[in-house]
Amino acid sequence: AQSVTQPDIHITVSEGASLELRCNYSYGATPYLFWYVQSPGQGLQLLLKYFSGDTLVQGIKGFEAEFKRSQSSFNLRKPSVHWSDAAEYFCAVGPKFLRFGAGTRLTVKP
Amino acid sequence: NAGVTQTPKFQVLKTGQSMTLQCAQDMNHEYMSWYRQDPGMGLRLIHYSVGAGITDQGEVPNGYNVSRSTTEDFPLRLLSAAPSQTSVYFCASSYSRYDEQFFGPGTRLTVL
Repeated sequence: AQSVTQPDIHITVSEGASLELRCNYSYGATPYLFWYVQSPGQGLQLLLKYFSGDTLVQGIKGFEAEFKRSQSSFNLRKPSVHWSDAAEYFCAVGPKFLRFGAGTRLTVKP
Repeated sequence: NAGVTQTPKFQVLKTGQSMTLQCAQDMNHEYMSWYRQDPGMGLRLIHYSVGAGITDQGEVPNGYNVSRSTTEDFPLRLLSAAPSQTSVYFCASSYSRYDEQFFGPGTRLTVL
């Protein structure tokens, strides 16, 4: 059965610093992988997705993620964090239906 | 386009009461789903539908019913509410299960 682990519950970074959020998945075949972001009191918004092809995926708001099959990982990165990036981030794996990780809350220090 | 709309935004129920959470989308999406979000657990899929007349169970279906009589609407029914169903409920829709899901604003439900 598919599953997702986000090892970091909470991360704090300074504004302008780089960011990496970790995601590990378990799935027998080629997974469909997604990163969503949730601002406080809001629904979720898709940042990026991976189905096949180039393992480095570009998304919105300057985010990117790299699919590494050998490590069963799909980590999210951003080279320079902005205060508006403070939110909760969810990794999810498909394809039968989406199974979400528990989320990583990002705090941005001024 | 309104996107995905959910009503009500907030609801308080007593144990044993029933209610229906409404979800509608105006994007002509075939795939619709209901999630619940609990602290520290992310979102968990309750039920989903791949088109009108077709529904299936997700990870946590017990205590919930759904039906899909039209493409636009996908209501979630709680037949006998329990405190364990206190949660935030999100409805989402997409063209297919492989596409970006668009989420509604959520319904915060408290069962006393």
